[in-house]
Amino acid sequence: SAVISQKPSRDICQRGTSLTIQCQVDSQVTMMFWYRQQPGQSLTLIATANQGSEATYESGFVIDKFPISRPNLTFSTLTVSNMSPEDSSIYLCSVEGWGTDTQYFGPGTRLTVL
Amino acid sequence: GENVEQHPSTLSVQEGDSAVIKCTYSDSASNYFPWYKQELGKRPQLIIDIRSNVGEKKDQRIAVTLNKTAKHFSLHITETQPEDSAVYFCAANKAAGNKLTFGGGTRVLVKP
Repeated sequence: SAVISQKPSRDICQRGTSLTIQCQVDSQVTMMFWYRQQPGQSLTLIATANQGSEATYESGFVIDKFPISRPNLTFSTLTVSNMSPEDSSIYLCSVEGWGTDTQYFGPGTRLTVL
Repeated sequence: GENVEQHPSTLSVQEGDSAVIKCTYSDSASNYFPWYKQELGKRPQLIIDIRSNVGEKKDQRIAVTLNKTAKHFSLHITETQPEDSAVYFCAANKAAGNKLTFGGGTRVLVKP
């Protein structure tokens, strides 16, 4: 499976600020996704990061709050904008390789908003 | 949209016993059902998956069964060991596509 890295691994931010999380894969992948995992909860899909076009957002998530970029087949960013304490979560990227529907997760970014 | 329910939310078993986690899904078009294990502070790790063209799949001490008619699937762990202690998540794909909907998770504790 692909090696997936995320930066930063954790951060503590002030409310009203924004944080950009990076997801890097060591090989080209077809699909990249962003998930949120609130403390003690399950994983919720935020959006599908589409290469060269706008991301596809799930119900309850909007581009203004969670802008996503995917400039190529190995890299994506998720920005959490105008943060509030309710945004404190783990944010995970996942990838799906060529010819497979198996998703593998990055190590996650633990975000705390004060 | 797809809804996945997972039971139980917590499960405590004695080392060596079996553990069973059950999930139900709502979208009859779903055709891919992975299971992930998440240890504390770690990323979810795929442990087994099953597709709708098979009813059962085994990998050493882990097995998954699928009942398409009833729209439920289960994870079976035999001869549990302390290192099996973790949170387990089931998932189903939406409308036979790429997006996954996750169950609420089961916290498994294996007591030595």
